[in-house]
Amino acid sequence: DTAVSQTPKYLVTQMGNDKSIKCEQNLGHDTMYWYKQDSKKFLKIMFSYNNKELIINETVPNRFSPKSPDKAHLNLHINSLELGDSAVYFCASSQRPGLEEEQYFGPGTRLTVT
Amino acid sequence: AQKVTQAQTEISVVEKEDVTLDCVYETRDTTYYLFWYKQPPSGELVFLIRRNSFDEQNEISGRYSWNFQKSTSSFNFTITASQVVDSAVYFCALTLSMDTGRRALTFGSGTRLQVQP
Repeated sequence: DTAVSQTPKYLVTQMGNDKSIKCEQNLGHDTMYWYKQDSKKFLKIMFSYNNKELIINETVPNRFSPKSPDKAHLNLHINSLELGDSAVYFCASSQRPGLEEEQYFGPGTRLTVT
Repeated sequence: AQKVTQAQTEISVVEKEDVTLDCVYETRDTTYYLFWYKQPPSGELVFLIRRNSFDEQNEISGRYSWNFQKSTSSFNFTITASQVVDSAVYFCALTLSMDTGRRALTFGSGTRLQVQP
């Protein structure tokens, strides 16, 4: 039973394309997150949603748009992909909002922009 | 501003050795939380521990132990009798309390631990 799942696991695409990454959690958590991990393993939070409402929006280009159709899903849509968007993107969830909560991470999506 | 420093980029030990991963943090707040996460070669991040700033008690969980010292702003992680399965990148992270109204979660740059058989 996968707690936090992401699709696809790998995504290779060309500059300028638009792509989406999907995330689902079956833990019954209220809060979900997106993180970016660059090639040097540096992790940075991008967004957080609590019960479908955006609560954290870090300094991220507006080409990145999260969408939460329900509290179990948080998708990440990226427009006009650039080379610098190549990274591993992690989805996570926690029972309650608040960055002090323990978070459960998905397996990551490795995005490669060529 | 807050900052987490993991000065050890990579550590290599032989199985059964003890190893300590260092984490030093900076924050002006008195209420904060510290975490350790493990990222094995498979890629996912696994929560290991959370500690709040008012709880300086050290914690032991099996072969893992954590030493939190506010006086030196450190939250170090020790693995006793390391095993090959401990090979991973370990991240220390810091966040402020929700009560501060500020939201920031800062990860250290990670320490890659390689345990040789």
